[in-house]
Amino acid sequence: GAVVSQHPSRVICKSGTSVKIECRSLDFQATTMFWYRQFPKKSLMLMATSNEGSKATYEQGVEKDKFLINHASLTLSTLTVTSAHPEDSSFYICSASDSIAGGPWNEQFFGPGTRLTVL
Amino acid sequence: DAKTTQPPSMDCAEGRAANLPCNHSTISGNEYVYWYRQIHSQGPQYIIHGLKNNETNEMASLIITEDRKSSTLILPHATLRDTAVYYCIVSSGGSNYKLTFGKGTLLTVNP
Repeated sequence: GAVVSQHPSRVICKSGTSVKIECRSLDFQATTMFWYRQFPKKSLMLMATSNEGSKATYEQGVEKDKFLINHASLTLSTLTVTSAHPEDSSFYICSASDSIAGGPWNEQFFGPGTRLTVL
Repeated sequence: DAKTTQPPSMDCAEGRAANLPCNHSTISGNEYVYWYRQIHSQGPQYIIHGLKNNETNEMASLIITEDRKSSTLILPHATLRDTAVYYCIVSSGGSNYKLTFGKGTLLTVNP
């Protein structure tokens, strides 16, 4: 299957700083990328849907000014956690859909995740 | 999207078939059934999907009941590396479809 990478895999930062997480589709073009958050022993929660060249669509309850999403190319989306606080510590996972492949459905390929710890 | 119900946990002996059930009684006609799994501290991995017919690939088989209100994921010969949380998800598909993850089933494969 197609490969999605995330960078960094793990980051520790001080409270109040901003952290950028990159999500890349390595061998396919992704018109749509998704960002999820997962707290310990909990399921994945969709944060936002990112479409190349347009503004992201955020899920209810997700602060768009705090979680900045940029999808500037068909292979790269970034999530920036601004002014991070300890409660933002979580596992952030992106996924990408190979929408150019067509068909009535499109498999989502997930990245390996980024573990954010805010001190 | 329709909701799904799965048992919170299941055990299986290594080498035996693992049968993971999922109820999706409110599924609508254009919604697919997807199965993903997540091994600890990794991103989810796609397993299989189906609409009406049973499906089989190199990883698993998916059996969907005729009324489409439930399905079963079958891992024919479970290995220790199949220990993971398995998610059954119902979604309408399309290039912008969302996946709503429930709590899933923690499958533990025992030696």
